[in-house]
Amino acid sequence: ETGVTQTPRHLVMGMTNKKSLKCEQHLGHNAMYWYKQSAKKPLELMFVYNFKEQTENNSVPSRFSPECPNSSHLFLHLHTLQPEDSALYLCASSQGIGTTQDNEQFFGPGTRLTVL
Amino acid sequence: KQEVTQIPAALSVPEGENLVLNCSFTDSAIYNLQWFRQDPGKGLTSLLLIQSSQREQTSGRLNASLDKSSGRSTLYIAASQPGDSATYLCAVRRGAGGTSYGKLTFGQGTILTVHP
Repeated sequence: ETGVTQTPRHLVMGMTNKKSLKCEQHLGHNAMYWYKQSAKKPLELMFVYNFKEQTENNSVPSRFSPECPNSSHLFLHLHTLQPEDSALYLCASSQGIGTTQDNEQFFGPGTRLTVL
Repeated sequence: KQEVTQIPAALSVPEGENLVLNCSFTDSAIYNLQWFRQDPGKGLTSLLLIQSSQREQTSGRLNASLDKSSGRSTLYIAASQPGDSATYLCAVRRGAGGTSYGKLTFGQGTILTVHP
C-alpha cells in the first residue's frame, strides 16, 4: 500500500449504530487530518493531530471521536449520528504543521458515509 | 475569518480549449496556496502548490498564478482534454500567528466538464 488509505470506502449506518473509520498513511508523515465534505459545501477541517497529539478540534460535535494511536494511524469513531452527518470523510497527512516544511497535504480516497 | 471563493462554479468546454479557473481569498496573510483535483466520489490529488513568495507554478499543461496582494489565484489549463473533467479545488494555507497556523481553507470548487 502506498500513500494514504481509508477503510471502509462506503458505510451505511443507522442513527443508533457505533462505527469507526480508519485511515493509514505510508508516507512517514507526522501530521494527520480529518475533513468532512458535504454536498454543496466546501471541505471542512474537523481535527488535526501532530505526533499523535490533537492540535485542533474545529468545533466538532462530540458524536465524532477521533483517535490517533501512532503517527501512521488515525481513527474516527462515530456514534448516534444524524442524517445530516452523511458526507464524504477525507483523511490527509503531511510531513508537519506550522514549519517551513508545512507541506502539502496528501489525501486518502475518502469514506462515503450515509446515515439513515 | 478566511473565505475562499471559486468562479465559475461549473464550466463546460469542448476539447482543445484553453481555460482559466479563478480563486479569490479574503485574507492575504497566507503561507501558500494549493490547487487540487477531485474526481467524483474520490479523494483529492494535489496539482500545484505556490508559496506566498512565488508568482506562479507550472506542471505540464497546468499553470497556476498567485497575486497575494489582491487575494487572487488562477489555474490555467492548456489544450483541455476529456480526462481533465473533474472538480478543481483551491485551498489557502494560513500564515504565521494564531492558533490555526497551517490550516487549509478550501473553496467550493469548479466543476469542469470537457466534452469530445
